[in-house]
Amino acid sequence: EAGVAQSPRYKIIEKRQSVAFWCNPISGHATLYWYQQILGQGPKLLIQFQNNGVVDDSQLPKDRFSAERLKGVDSTLKIQPAKLEDSAVYLCASSPTARGGGEKLFFGSGTQLSVL
Amino acid sequence: QKEVEQNSGPLSVPEGAIASLNCTYSDRGSQSFFWYRQYSGKSPELIMFIYSNGDKEDGRFTAQLNKASQYVSLLIRDSQPSDSATYLCAVNGGSNYKLTFGKGTLLTVNP
Repeated sequence: EAGVAQSPRYKIIEKRQSVAFWCNPISGHATLYWYQQILGQGPKLLIQFQNNGVVDDSQLPKDRFSAERLKGVDSTLKIQPAKLEDSAVYLCASSPTARGGGEKLFFGSGTQLSVL
Repeated sequence: QKEVEQNSGPLSVPEGAIASLNCTYSDRGSQSFFWYRQYSGKSPELIMFIYSNGDKEDGRFTAQLNKASQYVSLLIRDSQPSDSATYLCAVNGGSNYKLTFGKGTLLTVNP
């Protein structure tokens, strides 16, 4: 079974530039998550989708971050404009339950973003 | 603000010893509890989950839950150098189903 696919693996940009990350979840997984993990911290949930609807985006900085999930499958996370404090690993995860949040999460390999 | 607290460590144990990792959580309505292992430079992977008070064993791993004390722990028996990683406690439930992670405890198993 293919895992959660993410790209790119690494990205280096200058502050105020824009960047986009892509995620393809495990086939059939209804719930998709984007997490931000700053070095030395645990993952912080940015946004949770169930199929193509948003379940929770309370910690998403909406003035600069946006996310969408196309047709309930692939998802993109965008940052515009980027700030220095956005340097982190962006993890995409999916889970097989439509309820979401309480079941097993399968993580992708992440995108390491460096903002200079 | 729902919080999950872990001792950041590092926790260092000799090979073959028992490693004990602890976690407390603030939301008394939390329903389910997870332990993820994260190797350096890698993504988290689920190793244990527990829903009910008491112990749950899986091989060398035992998860313990005490909802009254809002405390969950992970015991690793016969620790191996390959167990060296950061262990993340995650809690879900209450008024929503958002999974909240602690900062993680770095475990080092010395040969």
